[in-house]
Amino acid sequence: GNSVTQMEGPVTLSEEAFLTINCTYTATGYPSLFWYVQYPGEGLQLLLKATKADDKGSNKGFEATYRKETTSFHLEKGSVQVSDSAVYFCALSDPTGANNLFFGTGTRLTVIP
Amino acid sequence: ETGVTQTPRHLVMGMTNKKSLKCEQHLGHNAMYWYKQSAKKPLELMFVYNFKEQTENNSVPSRFSPECPNSSHLFLHLHTLQPEDSALYLCASRASGQGASGYTFGSGTRLTVV
Repeated sequence: GNSVTQMEGPVTLSEEAFLTINCTYTATGYPSLFWYVQYPGEGLQLLLKATKADDKGSNKGFEATYRKETTSFHLEKGSVQVSDSAVYFCALSDPTGANNLFFGTGTRLTVIP
Repeated sequence: ETGVTQTPRHLVMGMTNKKSLKCEQHLGHNAMYWYKQSAKKPLELMFVYNFKEQTENNSVPSRFSPECPNSSHLFLHLHTLQPEDSALYLCASRASGQGASGYTFGSGTRLTVV
């Protein structure tokens, strides 16, 4: 079946620290991969995506590379800001074409000044 | 506002109550979704509607009953819930031509069952 495993949080970092949130997936085909962000009191927003192996998605200083050999899509940012404090969800799309999204548990990030 | 509006934002209900959650979008999307967000669990896909027809029910207990009267509105009717049903319920919509990148999520209804 389709599933996503994320590193457990919460993660607390100082401003300007380097961020990595690990994500691995299981899928029966070739899914697209996504990172979503949920700011306090809000719904999920698409942060970045990658649709095939070796693609790199990037947005707002965040990056993630689709690694088929390790079935991973780790999220990274070189220098986090207080405003990056949020919950981050890794997700994959149903490779059968139904376009349903399957999410991980979410990782809460808190950035302190 | 994302364009997907959920009401109420917060709901407290007893186990014998009947209540409904509402989701509304005027984005012209024709697919609508209910997700359940619980602490330390993956976001769970509950129901999918495409062009008002239910296309997926992810083994959700019958105490949750969805309704999609038109492509702009989606309801989740709740009846005799359990405390473990307390969670954030998220609605999402998508235009069928946009693929998996085209989801828009609402802010959710925080449900507490007492």
